[in-house]
Amino acid sequence: GEDVEQSLFLSVREGDSSVINCTYTDSSSTYLYWYKQEPGAGLQLLTYIFSNMDMKQDQRLTVLLNKKDKHLSLRIADTQTGDSAIYFCAVGSNDYKLSFGAGTTVTVRA
Amino acid sequence: KAGVTQTPRYLIKTRGQQVTLSCSPISGHRSVSWYQQTPGQGLQFLFEYFSETQRNKGNFPGRFSGRQFSNSRSEMNVSTLELGDSALYLCASSLEGPSTDTQYFGPGTRLTVL
Repeated sequence: GEDVEQSLFLSVREGDSSVINCTYTDSSSTYLYWYKQEPGAGLQLLTYIFSNMDMKQDQRLTVLLNKKDKHLSLRIADTQTGDSAIYFCAVGSNDYKLSFGAGTTVTVRA
Repeated sequence: KAGVTQTPRYLIKTRGQQVTLSCSPISGHRSVSWYQQTPGQGLQFLFEYFSETQRNKGNFPGRFSGRQFSNSRSEMNVSTLELGDSALYLCASSLEGPSTDTQYFGPGTRLTVL
């Protein structure tokens, strides 16, 4: 099956940029997602990118996709305390499911 | 549009009992997926339904089952509950399926098995 890996923790100072990285194995993936989960809540769709794109920008969020290296990243500009959460990388494949990474816990310090 | 809704939000059951969880997708969405989230295993795929047909099932024992109704609402059932079934159960919906459309998640049902 699909393997999705991401680093577990990231600590960033308020106002700095955060970069969360993710690698995956299935080259047939068509949709690649970033979800945010706050304590006690479900998954909030942050952004997504099609596999035929290299980059997508959405306000403070920038997603970069390197298909050759199967590497996906999420950059959050001007990180705020409200950005403290767990961020999941997810990859959609042709068998009607998403495969998730373990999640990166982002802590924003003042 | 209303988002994905799940009921109940919290459940406490004892070992050996069974439980049914419900999910109402976003209006117009025909694909519903279920995931189990635990601290140890992370997010794991349970099953996906489209137009009342199960198109894929994850690696879970037969105690886990689901179905989808003609209005796209879905239920999942867990029989003979075990302590390890304690988890957050998340439902997600999309127009045609997670491979081709953006998938939106509900708030989850937190199941505690005592």
